[in-house]
Amino acid sequence: AQTVTQSQPEMSVQEAETVTLSCTYDTSESDYYLFWYKQPPSRQMILVIRQEAYKQQNATENRFSVNFQKAAKSFSLKISDSQLGDAAMYFCAYRRRGGSQGNLIFGKGTKLSVKP
Amino acid sequence: DAGVIQSPRHEVTEMGQEVTLRCKPISGHNSLFWYRQTMMRGLELLIYFNNNVPIDDSGMPEDRFSAKMPNASFSTLKIQPSEPRDSAVYFCASSPYSPGRGFGYEQYFGPGTRLTVT
Repeated sequence: AQTVTQSQPEMSVQEAETVTLSCTYDTSESDYYLFWYKQPPSRQMILVIRQEAYKQQNATENRFSVNFQKAAKSFSLKISDSQLGDAAMYFCAYRRRGGSQGNLIFGKGTKLSVKP
Repeated sequence: DAGVIQSPRHEVTEMGQEVTLRCKPISGHNSLFWYRQTMMRGLELLIYFNNNVPIDDSGMPEDRFSAKMPNASFSTLKIQPSEPRDSAVYFCASSPYSPGRGFGYEQYFGPGTRLTVT
């Protein structure tokens, strides 16, 4: 069974600084997707960034980028120029590509605080 | 588009009562997922549907939980009887799906229903 592990329950960063959130996963599949979701206090789950496992290039979305290491099964999220609005829970998630199993498997989350 | 709609946003009920949570997926999305979020267990899948048919309900905790999707625009998750350990936030998410292309990239989440069972 696939599992997703986020080893940092809480992280803190100074406004305008850079922070990296860690995620590792375990799977025997070769083709899959990885995601980072943000959950602010409003509880809404917001997709931050997506990575396809067959792509070697790391995904980037504005201030958010990932370091995808397929062999190591590692998928970290880097937030540059942190803003107060980045404060939230961040969840790493895995999903198989293809087949009929479309559900997301989530890590336990990392609570990010941003200090002014 | 209005996004995924869930109701109610908050529900407080007494142990033993029946609870029904509702979800309207995004129009055109034919896959629907029910997740539960608790502090202890995090976010976990309860059940999901493709084209209104339940595909995987292995995450449903016990027989007290049931889910239906009578049509493409509506789903319910029912708990009967409810227990305090059912207190959680319940999310509904939808995604497009086709047999040839599989699931769409993103699952779109609703705002969740916070359930408190006293």
